[in-house]
Amino acid sequence: GQQLNQSPQSMFIQEGEDVSMNCTSSSIFNTWLWYKQDPGEGPVLLIALYKAGELTSNGRLTAQFGITRKDSFLNISASIPSDVGIYFCAGQRGNAGKSTFGDGTTLTVKP
Amino acid sequence: KAGVTQTPRYLIKTRGQQVTLSCSPISGHRSVSWYQQTPGQGLQFLFEYFSETQRNKGNFPGRFSGRQFSNSRSEMNVSTLELGDSALYLCASSLTLSGSGSTDTQYFGPGTRLTVL
Repeated sequence: GQQLNQSPQSMFIQEGEDVSMNCTSSSIFNTWLWYKQDPGEGPVLLIALYKAGELTSNGRLTAQFGITRKDSFLNISASIPSDVGIYFCAGQRGNAGKSTFGDGTTLTVKP
Repeated sequence: KAGVTQTPRYLIKTRGQQVTLSCSPISGHRSVSWYQQTPGQGLQFLFEYFSETQRNKGNFPGRFSGRQFSNSRSEMNVSTLELGDSALYLCASSLTLSGSGSTDTQYFGPGTRLTVL
């Protein structure tokens, strides 16, 4: 089963609002990744984090690798309708093939 | 640079049949991993190939198998299909296999949607 706890499971927000989601684990990871998946498509990499404490931005997206290496969060500022989708966190322990995924956060943005 | 490609995008099979799915990684990427995605179980790791050898395997029955060719392209095969095998099968590629850092970051293809009737 999954080792990552991703929350919230779903979010319904108004366009323009900020969004925050996070993942926690009982295990340490060396890498944290955040993906977005649209219906019928594969996950698209948004942000990759490689060092504990690292804070990285990609446009309106900001993600941080927790100091304990057991958690990460993703923030989306000023949400727009195209932000709709499922956001997944993934942790790696140094072997790419064993990425562990969270269950996803489904984001709905109301215009 | 072209992304990860998967063929076919959609497939309908009946129980008992077998299926082969194909994945072409990003040019230069040598590691290919396969995942099964279902609404109930999320993204589950199947196996990873590097240099034509299976390096890691998830917790799936032997009906699920794969291989990798010298050009890093990979195929996965599911034999004796069951209704529960209906899922989105995702392929992901990365530059390298082991260690940590940017060369391990996985990039996904669009997936193959398999429906078993």
